[in-house]
Amino acid sequence: EDKVVQSPLSLVVHEGDTVTLNCSYEVTNFRSLLWYKQEKKAPTFLFMLTSSGIEKKSGRLSSILDKKELSSILNITATQTGDSAIYLCSSGTYKYIFGTGTRLKVLA
Amino acid sequence: KAGVTQTPRYLIKTRGQQVTLSCSPISGHRSVSWYQQTPGQGLQFLFEYFSETQRNKGNFPGRFSGRQFSNSRSEMNVSTLELGDSALYLCASSLKTSGLTDTQYFGPGTRLTVL
Repeated sequence: EDKVVQSPLSLVVHEGDTVTLNCSYEVTNFRSLLWYKQEKKAPTFLFMLTSSGIEKKSGRLSSILDKKELSSILNITATQTGDSAIYLCSSGTYKYIFGTGTRLKVLA
Repeated sequence: KAGVTQTPRYLIKTRGQQVTLSCSPISGHRSVSWYQQTPGQGLQFLFEYFSETQRNKGNFPGRFSGRQFSNSRSEMNVSTLELGDSALYLCASSLKTSGLTDTQYFGPGTRLTVL
């Protein structure tokens, strides 16, 4: 059965810290891995990764896929309180499987 | 471009009733996927519609059904509601079917409470 596992489940850091969120997947016929940020509403898209070893960046956020290890990481540098959210990763082929998410809390 | 819209935003029903939720995708998007989100189970895939056809289905009982209209708007129906159906129901749209790499854009969700 396909599955996506995220770690850690939750994380509390202080502003300015750097965090690394992990996502591992076991899906048949892998096509892509997606990262989302969810605050109090619907998830918003962050990154889509399809190729191993190519880092995607958006401001202080970056992500990379390792197909050999069946995993991906999401890095956030110089964290801010506005980064507090649940970060979700998903993968799949004809249906997206989501991990349970990492709840990040950034303290001022 | 307007985002994905869902109606109603909040709904309270009692056990045994049925409910219909609506989702309007981003203009031009032909794929609509539905998800159930609960604190315990996270986001779980319900089904996907593309060009009025159900393309994929998750592991939910037959009480959960859906359809898509020619304008790509989609409805989801849950019959014989159970307490465990209380959840946030999210729909997401994309240009292409989720069978091809693409990005999904989520709506704000419908919060269903079953009493």
